[in-house]
Amino acid sequence: AQSVAQPEDQVNVAEGNPLTVKCTYSVSGNPYLFWYVQYPNRGLQFLLKYITGDNLVKGSYGFEAEFNKSQTSFHLKKPSALVSDSALYFCAVRGTGTYKYIFGTGTRLKVLA
Amino acid sequence: DAGVTQSPTHLIKTRGQQVTLRCSPISGHKSVSWYQQVLGQGPQFIFQYYEKEERGRGNFPDRFSARQFPNYSSELNVNALLLGDSALYLCASSLLSEGNQPQHFGDGTRLSIL
Repeated sequence: AQSVAQPEDQVNVAEGNPLTVKCTYSVSGNPYLFWYVQYPNRGLQFLLKYITGDNLVKGSYGFEAEFNKSQTSFHLKKPSALVSDSALYFCAVRGTGTYKYIFGTGTRLKVLA
Repeated sequence: DAGVTQSPTHLIKTRGQQVTLRCSPISGHKSVSWYQQVLGQGPQFIFQYYEKEERGRGNFPDRFSARQFPNYSSELNVNALLLGDSALYLCASSLLSEGNQPQHFGDGTRLSIL
């Protein structure tokens, strides 16, 4: 069975500091992994996806994600946080040959000025 | 290009009523999925349709049904509404039904049950 865990409900970081939002997954076969961001009263916006063979994936708005197969993790990172990055972040997984996404419970990122 | 559009944006119903939510995918996208997002939780998969056929169904009761039209737009129907059906309903479209194609989401329909 597929599953995704986001262990932190909220992450606080000062503006200009690096940020990390954690995600671990469980899936049979090769994983398809994604990060999305949700702003208030909006749908989910695609940030980036894992590409087989790339342990560091670059996405939109300066975000990147680090894939670690042995730890089954796909952590979202950004070298320098902006106040405008404050939002709800979701990790999602889709197993090979399956049709549905499984989303984590979300992590609220708060960037403090 | 227009993104995924959903209508209506907000809806208020009472228990026992029926509701229909509508979704238009990004032009060229043949796969449409529906999700329910309860406040404070991640989206939960309800249905996926591809080329007008149901490809998958999540763990939702038979009160939930959907269909996809020849132009790839989709409707989600919920009968006999319960208070617990109050949520943000999200539609997402993608080119294909599987693989690493990202899904693109609309802004959702917020359904409130009184």
